[in-house]
Amino acid sequence: AQSVAQPEDQVNVAEGNPLTVKCTYSVSGNPYLFWYVQYPNRGLQFLLKYITGDNLVKGSYGFEAEFNKSQTSFHLKKPSALVSDSALYFCAVRDGANFNKFYFGSGTKLNVKP
Amino acid sequence: DVKVTQSSRYLVKRTGEKVFLECVQDMDHENMFWYRQDPGLGLRLIYFSYDVKMKEKGDIPEGYSVSREKKERFSLILESASTNQTSMYLCASSPRQENQPQHFGDGTRLSIL
Repeated sequence: AQSVAQPEDQVNVAEGNPLTVKCTYSVSGNPYLFWYVQYPNRGLQFLLKYITGDNLVKGSYGFEAEFNKSQTSFHLKKPSALVSDSALYFCAVRDGANFNKFYFGSGTKLNVKP
Repeated sequence: DVKVTQSSRYLVKRTGEKVFLECVQDMDHENMFWYRQDPGLGLRLIYFSYDVKMKEKGDIPEGYSVSREKKERFSLILESASTNQTSMYLCASSPRQENQPQHFGDGTRLSIL
């Protein structure tokens, strides 16, 4: 069965420091992995995706994600956090056997303090 | 850019009313989805549709129905609204290809009194 886990409900970082939001996944077949961000009272906004190729994927707003097949992880990173990055982040996987299905993690609240 | 538009940002209805939430996408996507989002429960899939007039139940379909008469429009219907259906409702669309993400609307915050 496909699943996504975000082990941290909340991540706190100081502005200017690097940030990591963790995600692990379980899929049968090739993983199609995505990160989304959600600001208060808004929908989810697509940040980046991993399909195949380079293990380091670059996305919007300076975010990147590192795919690690052996650890089945897809962690979201940013070298220098901004206060405006404070939001809820979701990791998702698209079912490789049934492309109509997406599985979401429970979300991680990122707090960036000035 | 893909645009997914939900007809209302905020909606207040009364218990027992029939409620319609509308969603329109402008990118000719085959798939459309309705989720509800509640604190501590993440996103839960209510229904999705992979083509006109086609639908499949998600994880929590009870108390809801959907309609997809045109490719661009996907409606969520609360047959008889109850207070436990107070929630944030999110619509999304995606193309059929496996390497493409979903695109979300801004959500409808629905309160049932």
